[in-house]
Amino acid sequence: NAGVTQTPKFQVLKTGQSMTLQCAQDMNHNSMYWYRQDPGMGLRLIYYSASEGTTDKGEVPNGYNVSRLNKREFSLRLESAAPSQTSVYFCASSLGVGVNTEAFFGQGTRLTVV
Amino acid sequence: SQQGEEDPQALSIQEGENATMNCSYKTSINNLQWYRQNSGRGLVHLILIRSNEREKHSGRLRVTLDTSKKSSSLLITASRAADTASYFCATSARDDKIIFGKGTRLHILP
Repeated sequence: NAGVTQTPKFQVLKTGQSMTLQCAQDMNHNSMYWYRQDPGMGLRLIYYSASEGTTDKGEVPNGYNVSRLNKREFSLRLESAAPSQTSVYFCASSLGVGVNTEAFFGQGTRLTVV
Repeated sequence: SQQGEEDPQALSIQEGENATMNCSYKTSINNLQWYRQNSGRGLVHLILIRSNEREKHSGRLRVTLDTSKKSSSLLITASRAADTASYFCATSARDDKIIFGKGTRLHILP
């Protein structure tokens, strides 16, 4: 049982390049999340998806787009990377709205934009 | 701004002592959760307390919730070296978004 799988684990981008961070969960969860973690800032929610085909902005959505094509996968896209987007990105999933259960996290993607 | 704020930001205690961390939040919640993060790793869920609960235990962990004060505390009893980590509170409201605080860095001294 893999849980939440993120790829890649590490990435270096040049300013202006684009990339997509992939996330997949095998727990049949409805809700999925993308967070970024910066030193001293905790985790900040970028985007959230309550179900397949739906997405909603979180606390820091600017510069990002997301796609929830099916129940398992939730991708995060940086269209034109900026140094301010250097961070560790975490994907998470939970059972769903109205159900008081915890979120399960992937191991993170360490992104550096130079 | 973030929903939860932990206090203190950092805490160092001797092994065997108890560690207490506090979390305050701003708006109504459905539940509050505590997570642990070891350096450079993903987050691990520790305990969830619903808005209609006041106290919950799990092994050496004790969590309290005071919705009138919009605050929670996490107590780790008989601390061990392996408890050294960052601890985050997170709140979830009706929309199911999980919003995290900035965390408390706990260091257990041998």
